[in-house]
Amino acid sequence: DTGVSQNPRHKITKRGQNVTFRCDPISEHNRLYWYRQTLGQGPEFLTYFQNEAQLEKSRLLSDRFSAERPKGSFSTLEIQRTEQGDSAMYLCASSLTRQGWEQYFGPGTRLTVT
Amino acid sequence: GNSVTQMEGPVTLSEEAFLTINCTYTATGYPSLFWYVQYPGEGLQLLLKATKADDKGSNKGFEATYRKETTSFHLEKGSVQVSDSAVYFCALSDLKGDTGRRALTFGSGTRLQVQP
Repeated sequence: DTGVSQNPRHKITKRGQNVTFRCDPISEHNRLYWYRQTLGQGPEFLTYFQNEAQLEKSRLLSDRFSAERPKGSFSTLEIQRTEQGDSAMYLCASSLTRQGWEQYFGPGTRLTVT
Repeated sequence: GNSVTQMEGPVTLSEEAFLTINCTYTATGYPSLFWYVQYPGEGLQLLLKATKADDKGSNKGFEATYRKETTSFHLEKGSVQVSDSAVYFCALSDLKGDTGRRALTFGSGTRLQVQP
């Protein structure tokens, strides 16, 4: 069990550029969540996958955001035409159905939009 | 909707002092309750959990009891150490029936600073 990994750990981009983050969940976990955390706040839910199906998206996830989880393994989160307000820590978590509903978090990707 | 309210920090204590971090919640169903900890430069780690009323979660000397009547899940530790300095998040997880989602709703976090 190597835990949840996320890449890159840090990303600095200019406003208007596109960025993509990757999350590798714990291998047998079928559920995957993306959250966003801004300074001084708790994480906020963005979107949720069960296997390869994206079952829900928060209203925080604007049209510029898209997430995929091909083959139910790793997931990517893409932000198009980044804005300064997108600067945040993007967290990925995974869990296994009925295993106590515990979610295991990755270290996060810190995005800075200049 | 669901929400979690935590006491504001920072909380500054001397080593071996008693710790309480208050957490109250609002939920429409029967949530599970969690405390997560975030050490400097690290990701969120599950500290303890409770899945039903009157359950007590415990780990590493920390405890919290699920109180349905007061909708609370206060975190306590009898004797804190410098190594406990971190940000602590209270969270709840409630089932969204149509999608099976159990996303977490977090409080805003409480920073604990323990001085030697």
